[in-house]
This record gives sequence, C-alpha cells and structure tokens, in this order.
Amino acid sequence: EPEVTQTPSHQVTQMGQEVILRCVPISNHLYFYWYRQILGQKVEFLVSFYNNEISEKSEIFDDQFSVERPDGSNFTLKIRSTKLEDSAMYFCASSRTVNTEAFFGQGTRLTVV
Amino acid sequence: GESVGLHLPTLSVQEGDNSIINCAYSNSASDYFIWYKQESGKGPQFIIDIRSNMDKRQGQRVTVLLNKTVKHLSLQIAATQPGDSAVYFCAETGNTDKLIFGTGTRLQVFP
Repeated sequence: EPEVTQTPSHQVTQMGQEVILRCVPISNHLYFYWYRQILGQKVEFLVSFYNNEISEKSEIFDDQFSVERPDGSNFTLKIRSTKLEDSAMYFCASSRTVNTEAFFGQGTRLTVV
Repeated sequence: GESVGLHLPTLSVQEGDNSIINCAYSNSASDYFIWYKQESGKGPQFIIDIRSNMDKRQGQRVTVLLNKTVKHLSLQIAATQPGDSAVYFCAETGNTDKLIFGTGTRLQVFP
C-alpha cells in the first residue's frame, strides 16, 4: 500500500539553526501539506502546495518557513532560524485532489534546544 | 470563525461494547469531514469520511453520522477492540484545501 514517508523521524537542533524536514508524498497525488502538532495538542495546518506553488498557508507559516518540491518526488519544509516554540511533531500529508482523503506520514519530531 | 471541537476529551469503554465519539463544528460552509485515528507516536490515520450531501456512511465496524442542522458529527465503532485505543480527531474542510482538526478524544478500551 502506498504511503507518505518522512525523514528524519527525530531531529534535534540548536535554537537559531536551520532545519529541513523531508517528505516523499504518494506518487500520484497532486496536493501536498505540512501540519504540526505540539505535544498533547491538536493537529494544526501550516501550508498546502499544489502545482508547484503554495495554495494556502496559516498564520503560523511566517517568513521563517518555506516549502519546496525540488524534484518529482520530494517535498520539503525548511525552518530558517528555529525557535524553542518550533518544537513539535511535523506531519507531511498528500491527497490526490482537493477534498479527498489526505494521507499522513509518520511525522518528524523536531526538538529545538 | 471556523472551529471544530469535541465534547469528550476521554472515553473509556469495555472491550466488545460500542463506542460513540462526538464532534461539533461551526463552519456551515464545510462540506467534507474526516475521522482520523492517531496512535501514540504515529501520524493520523484515515478512518472514514463523509460529504455534506450525506448523513450517514458505514465502513468496516465504523459508522459516521452527520447532522448538518446542529453541525454535529459522530463516529461509532462497533464491538470496540483493544487495538481501537487511540486519540480520534474529526477534521473538516470547506472551500479550501486545508483540514481543520478538532481537539481530539482519547478512547481507552479496557478488558
């Protein structure tokens, strides 16, 4: 069964450093997403990406965040200068079209120290 | 504004009983709803979805009910098993491609 894969599973970084979280969406999907979940809280939308551009972003997704689809398979989230409050689980998801089921990866646990 | 919320933060049921998890939403423009299951340390796993032109949809051991009049969504799990123990989230989307998640309900199944 096809699945969304994310690497690394856990990333520890120092405050102020840049991190890149990587995702391989399901191959025939056209919509890609990043969500985050602070420990014990609900899943929050960050950004959606379609046709090589951002289609929607939340207020959380400020200038320190960026997304990229550098090739035909990878979808990355870059956090330029990490803050302590960026510590969370980051989930990548993909869907074939809009308003259909989104499949989530297993997440990357980001710890900023 | 938009919001999706859950009435019960924790639900404890005995193995073999039926479980009902509820969710309220406030955006009347939402037209697609999904239930996700999240086990500890894992990503949300799709369970079942329903569109606003339906009021009921059944899957394997699960049923989702949608009451648009009172903006209420529920997930029914028949013959609950220990493997059903997890946090369950409802999520909704309207005229955008983002999912808005509720706060989650923890389902605990005891023998």
